[in-house]
Amino acid sequence: DAKTTQPTSMDCAEGRAANLPCNHSTISGNEYVYWYRQIHSQGPQYIIHGLKNNETNEMASLIITEDRKSSTLILPHATLRDTAVYYCGVNRDDKIIFGKGTRLHILP
Amino acid sequence: DTGVSQNPRHKITKRGQNVTFRCDPISEHNRLYWYRQTLGQGPEFLTYFQNEAQLEKSRLLSDRFSAERPKGSFSTLEIQRTEQGDSAMYLCASRTSGEGKYNEQFFGPGTRLTVL
Repeated sequence: DAKTTQPTSMDCAEGRAANLPCNHSTISGNEYVYWYRQIHSQGPQYIIHGLKNNETNEMASLIITEDRKSSTLILPHATLRDTAVYYCGVNRDDKIIFGKGTRLHILP
Repeated sequence: DTGVSQNPRHKITKRGQNVTFRCDPISEHNRLYWYRQTLGQGPEFLTYFQNEAQLEKSRLLSDRFSAERPKGSFSTLEIQRTEQGDSAMYLCASRTSGEGKYNEQFFGPGTRLTVL
């Protein structure tokens, strides 16, 4: 099974960029990397996804290494509302296989 | 609100009882997914539908679990003879089918099941 590994938790100062890493060394060539976040007791919220090129949207940027074995989600200017659990996943055969997530704490 | 909706949001039941959850996907989304999430874990895939056809079931989905999407719109997930290990958040997601860059799954708020 595709497997992703993420740090259990991270801290980031408010206003700074939050860089969340994810390893997905067993990813196959046509599998997309997805990022979601989850605030307590809510459903996961889509953030961004990509295949091999870097991606950017209004929420975040996604940097995927050339060998595609790891990626980094970047929140450019973290706010207190970005406090959440961030999940990295791989889309295999149209189902997303999620890791255990990183709990991101934004420090005022 | 045009997002994915799930009912009920919370369900408490006694061991051995049957429960049924409902998911209403985003209108015109023909793919619908069920995931299960336990404390401290990411969501785990259970099953998914393309319109009314159930295309795949995870090994996690024991014989006590059944999912339907009879008219290709809403879906139900039934658990028979619930066990304490079934306690979890049950999440539904939907998306439009087809390949492509902008093909994310949108999740509902989930149904939290507690089996006593």
